[in-house]
This record gives sequence, C-alpha cells and structure tokens, in this order.
Amino acid sequence: KAGVTQTPRYLIKTRGQQVTLSCSPISGHRSVSWYQQTPGQGLQFLFEYFSETQRNKGNFPGRFSGRQFSNSRSEMNVSTLELGDSALYLCASGQGISTEAFFGQGTRLTVV
Amino acid sequence: AQSVTQLDSQVPVFEEAPVELRCNYSSSVSVYLFWYVQYPNQGLQLLLKYLSGSTLVESINGFEAEFNKSQTSFHLRKPSVHISDTAEYFCAVSPLEGGNKLVFGAGTILRVKS
Repeated sequence: KAGVTQTPRYLIKTRGQQVTLSCSPISGHRSVSWYQQTPGQGLQFLFEYFSETQRNKGNFPGRFSGRQFSNSRSEMNVSTLELGDSALYLCASGQGISTEAFFGQGTRLTVV
Repeated sequence: AQSVTQLDSQVPVFEEAPVELRCNYSSSVSVYLFWYVQYPNQGLQLLLKYLSGSTLVESINGFEAEFNKSQTSFHLRKPSVHISDTAEYFCAVSPLEGGNKLVFGAGTILRVKS
C-alpha cells in the first residue's frame, strides 16, 4: 500500500505570492490533516478534512485554506506569503477518528 | 483544549544505555496518546500509541511507554539504545471525539553517542 504522498517536496516562493501544496492520502483513508512545523513554534495543527468537509481548524489566519476532493486528495493554499510562512508542511491521513495518523514526508516551503 | 509538555529538549546518552523521554499532558477531555519519531528531513513516523486497554504499550523496535492517568504522563523508555535511535521524538495527544487533531509537544532530540 502506498504511503501518504506530498508534492512538491521543496518549494521556493517570493513574499506576496501564493502557493498550493498537494497531499494524496493512503488509499481508503478519508481524513486528511495538515500541520506546519517550524523551529520556533514546533508542530501546529492547521486543519482537517473528512469526506470533503472541514472538520477541524487550528488558529491560523485566513490566508491559509484547504480543500479535499472526492477521491480524498487534499490541497492546501497559502495566499500573500510572508517570510514567517517558511516551514515544513506535513500532511497526515487517517481512517477514522483519532486512531492514528500517517504522515507524508512534507513539503519544505521557503519564502524569500 | 489540550497541551503537551516534553520536559527535556535534548537527551544525550551512550549506546546500549537505557533512556527515558518524559511527556506530560493536560486535557479537559479524554485523549488518545502517541509517540512519533522524526529523522532529519523526513516526516513523522508513529512509534506507538495508547488508545485503551493495557497502560503499557510497546513498539516493534524495543521502545515502550506507560500511560499514567493520575499523573497525566506518557513517558517513553528503551532499555538499550542504538546509534540508529538518534532522532527527534514527539509526544502527542488527540481528543477521543471531534475528529483528528493532534496536539504535539515541543519534541525531544535523542542523541546516542558511541
């Protein structure tokens, strides 16, 4: 069974631009969550989608948004990028509620 | 709301020595507990989890953790570490209800020295 796939692995963007990150969950998993990892703030929950609906949301500004498609693939969008958005963005998929989350290798976003 | 405290940011230890990585949590609701490991430039890998039942849980590579409800702790232990265990370890909790939302501790870097 293939694991969680995140694309691209690395990304460099300029301040003010927008970016879209993609996540393909493990086959059969309907929950997809997104996390931001930075040296200063650690791992922080962004949002979770389940069956195309946002089920949970963290404390991030509205510039951070996401969606989930009918095949459970998810995208995360960040608009008007700031230098502080530089981070490793991790996607995790799961089958149900709070059992366990399987993480992808992440997308390393650098904002210059 | 939940919070997780990992009491040590770094733990240096010699190869074949025992190690304990400490984790305490706070939550107003019942939670599941997890330990994840992260190697450089990698995502997170689940090491072990406590969902219910026996309070002592074990992983396939020799780690174990014990859930202590009264002390709200979930410390990770290994009786004999290897160089390959060098990594960052994260303790996390997730509420039993309301979807998948992991709250992580700040992480503990385990450095195994020869």
